[in-house]
Amino acid sequence: DIQMTQSPSSLSASVGDRVTITCRASESISSYLKWYQQKPGKAPNLLIYAASNLQSGVPSRFSGSGSGTDFTLTISSLQPEDFATYYCQQSYSTLSTFGQGTKVEIK
Amino acid sequence: EVQLVETGGGLIQPGGSLRLSCAASGFTVSSNYMSWVRQAPGKGLEWVSVIYSGGTTYYADSVKGRFTISRDNSKNTLYLQMNSLRAEDTAVYYCARNLYGGDPSYWGQGTLVTVSS
Repeated sequence: DIQMTQSPSSLSASVGDRVTITCRASESISSYLKWYQQKPGKAPNLLIYAASNLQSGVPSRFSGSGSGTDFTLTISSLQPEDFATYYCQQSYSTLSTFGQGTKVEIK
Repeated sequence: EVQLVETGGGLIQPGGSLRLSCAASGFTVSSNYMSWVRQAPGKGLEWVSVIYSGGTTYYADSVKGRFTISRDNSKNTLYLQMNSLRAEDTAVYYCARNLYGGDPSYWGQGTLVTVSS
């Protein structure tokens, strides 16, 4: 199975900060990576697909980059509604796998 | 508009069985790769199973031999039959469309399964 490793596991940031979350795959997954935001008690919400494509309706402060094994989710200016947990997911292999999550908390 | 609505969750004793349903609208289930993903309380997301448009199925090792994914094309509905349930199967179960490839995915709101005596 392809292992997905996210870092950091958690971070504290202030409104307006630039935030970067990384996701590393144990083998190449080309650009088959998705990023999700999840708030407590809610289903995951797709932010980015195919590593860098912004899902319709998602604010442009979210962006994704990378290919192969190393990927990044960037929030250019953190807003109050962005405090949540973020997951990456490889959509390359049959046995899909998720990163362990990154919790973004208020500093 | 794409919609996925899961039902069938509840409290079940260890060793029991439960069938989850995921009613889809806005697209055809049989033409898509449909998956189940679960999330144990306070934990991360875990892929459970997928059924391809051609009918091929795959399972996570943790549920292989106990869970069965299927679909009813006439009802445009996805199912997850869960047998021999264990405490560690306790989770919110989500159905999802297009987890794979380079297209956007869509998720339902989830249904909670609690395995406890």
